[in-house]
Amino acid sequence: GAVVSQHPSRVICKSGTSVKIECRSLDFQATTMFWYRQFPKQSLMLMATSNEGSKATYEQGVEKDKFLINHASLTLSTLTVTSAHPEDSSFYICSARRSGGDYNSPLHFGNGTRLTVT
Amino acid sequence: SQELEQSPQSLIVQEGKNLTINCTSSKTLYGLYWYKQKYGEGLIFLMMLQKGGEEKSHEKITAKLDEKKQQSSLHITASQPSHAGIYLCGAISSGSARQLTFGSGTQLTVLP
Repeated sequence: GAVVSQHPSRVICKSGTSVKIECRSLDFQATTMFWYRQFPKQSLMLMATSNEGSKATYEQGVEKDKFLINHASLTLSTLTVTSAHPEDSSFYICSARRSGGDYNSPLHFGNGTRLTVT
Repeated sequence: SQELEQSPQSLIVQEGKNLTINCTSSKTLYGLYWYKQKYGEGLIFLMMLQKGGEEKSHEKITAKLDEKKQQSSLHITASQPSHAGIYLCGAISSGSARQLTFGSGTQLTVLP
């Protein structure tokens, strides 16, 4: 149980276009999902907290207009990278916390999306 | 904000050797998590520690949380190539959303 599916796993897009990444909790409901970004040989940096039915909370330094987050249902959060540029190329990974779960329970992670902007 | 320092940043060991990775927090930890990742892939949950002095083991991996709950260590006994990857410690923040933030990571290479 507790599977998080992320799609697509890889995407290549041209500079200036927008890309949408989906994060789905397959067998549980997730009120809260988190989006991370990871550069080569670096750790995961939290970008934003996605809350079902409300606005996302962004970490300092993350442009909310550039990284649009929508959490329209208890099983789906989407991250849209708008007007992508080569510097947005990175590995994006989501995680989900089971609704009603203990805050200290482990988060379940997707397998990530490798975005390459040409 | 919660800051986690991991050491070493990278580690190369010969197969069969033991190794230890450390994670130090600037604040008292309410929960400390260890994950493993192969770069470009998802995270694999290893263990979670909550109580001061707690120790947990799974196969050849043992994790401990010190009594003051500000430092954790991950110990691998008789390392194997399958242990190679990035080891990340994470801590839950005190914020309302209880975000999980990570340390800088330790890249482990095990030479056959």
